[in-house]
Amino acid sequence: EAGVVQSPRYKIIEKKQPVAFWCNPISGHNTLYWYRQNLGQGPELLIRYENEEAVDDSQLPKDRFSAERLKGVDSTLKIQPAELGDSAVYLCASLPYGGAYNEQFFGPGTRLTVL
Amino acid sequence: SQQGEEDPQALSIQEGENATMNCSYKTSINNLQWYRQNSGRGLVHLILIRSNEREKHSGRLRVTLDTSKKSSSLLITASRAADTASYFCATVQEYGNKLVFGAGTILRVKS
Repeated sequence: EAGVVQSPRYKIIEKKQPVAFWCNPISGHNTLYWYRQNLGQGPELLIRYENEEAVDDSQLPKDRFSAERLKGVDSTLKIQPAELGDSAVYLCASLPYGGAYNEQFFGPGTRLTVL
Repeated sequence: SQQGEEDPQALSIQEGENATMNCSYKTSINNLQWYRQNSGRGLVHLILIRSNEREKHSGRLRVTLDTSKKSSSLLITASRAADTASYFCATVQEYGNKLVFGAGTILRVKS
């Protein structure tokens, strides 16, 4: 079974530029999470999707961050414009239906560096 | 904000020794999970312990949970160089459906 796929793995941009990250969850997993992990810290939730619906986006900085999961499968997280403080690893994770209390399956992450 | 606090922040041991990491949390939980993260990679699930369990084993891993003290520990026995990684505890709240991570413990196993 293929795992969670994320691309790109690394991205270097200058501040004020836009950037987008892509995630393809494990086949059949209807729940999808985006996390941000700052250096030396644990991941922090940005947004959670159940199918195509964003059911928890309370920690997503909506002035510059946006996300979509149009067909309830793969998802895109966008930052526009990027700031220096956005440098972090962006992780995607997924869960099958009914697995809310179980382990999450993480992708390898996208390491963003904003110069 | 992160719920868990982990102790120690970093741990360096010799191959073959045991490694113990501790985690404390603040609210009532449904379960507590431990994850490993190798340098530059995503997180891998190690073990899950439910709030009504006190101890759980998986291979060389032993996890304990004390809900009265809101704390957990992860013991890795007979450590190997390949165990070098960051270890995170994460809680699922009693009526929640998201993981809340601690800051992690960096483990280095020297061969």
